[in-house]
Amino acid sequence: QVQLQESGPGLVKPSETLSLSCTVSGDSISSYYWSWIRQAPGRGLEWIGYVYYSGSTNYNPSLKSRVTISVDTSKNQFSLKLRSVTAGDTAVYYCARGDYYAKVDYWGQGTLVTVSS
Amino acid sequence: SYVLTQPPSVSVAPGQTARLTCGGNNIGSKSVNWYQQKPGQAPVLVVYDDSDRPSGIPERFSGSNSGNTATLTISRVEAGDEADYYCQVWDSSSDQGVFGPGTNVAVL
Repeated sequence: QVQLQESGPGLVKPSETLSLSCTVSGDSISSYYWSWIRQAPGRGLEWIGYVYYSGSTNYNPSLKSRVTISVDTSKNQFSLKLRSVTAGDTAVYYCARGDYYAKVDYWGQGTLVTVSS
Repeated sequence: SYVLTQPPSVSVAPGQTARLTCGGNNIGSKSVNWYQQKPGQAPVLVVYDDSDRPSGIPERFSGSNSGNTATLTISRVEAGDEADYYCQVWDSSSDQGVFGPGTNVAVL
C-alpha cells in the first residue's frame, strides 16, 4: 500500500520560505509524478505543481515564480519550497502521487502551514 | 487559464440520485477526474478519465463528459456520501492541473 507523509514546520514567518518534504513508502519514487496540492482554510483545492523522478517539473503559473519542487530518489522523498510567503499561503499542503495529467491516486494526510509573525 | 465551474451545493434525499456538474469550455475534449473530500480528510479519487472507477469505489459512482459539461452521478445516495466533490482536468494550454471550486453534497 502506497503511503505518503508530509513533514515540515507548521509555522512560517511572512517573507520567509516554506519548506516541506514528503516521504513515500510502499512504492518507488522512480516512476509516477509527485505533486503538491494545497487547500486554504474553508476553500477549494489548488494544484501547486509536480516533479517527475527524472527531475522535470510543471508548476501552476500563478505560483511559478516562487515555487521549487525537487526529488531525492535516494531517500524516496520529494520536496516543496515556496518563497516569499504571505498570509495568503496559509493552507493545508498535501503531497500526492499522480500522472502527467495531474490525476492523483494517492494523497498524504496533509499538513497545515500557517504564515504568521 | 482554463476555468471550471461547479454549483456550490446539491441536496439529495437518501436513496435518490445526485448529479453533480462540472462546466468548462469544450470540457468534453479533456479527461475529467472527480475527488470526494470529507471534513478533515484528504481527497479520494472516485472517478478518473471521465468515467472509470478506481478499485474500491462503489459502482454507485459514475461519470460522463460531453460538450461543455462533465457529470458525476451518485446513485442510491447514502448518508456517507456527504462530502465536497471536486472535478479536475489538465489544461494543456498552460500545462497545469486545474480544480473546480467544489460542490458540497448534503444528504437530507
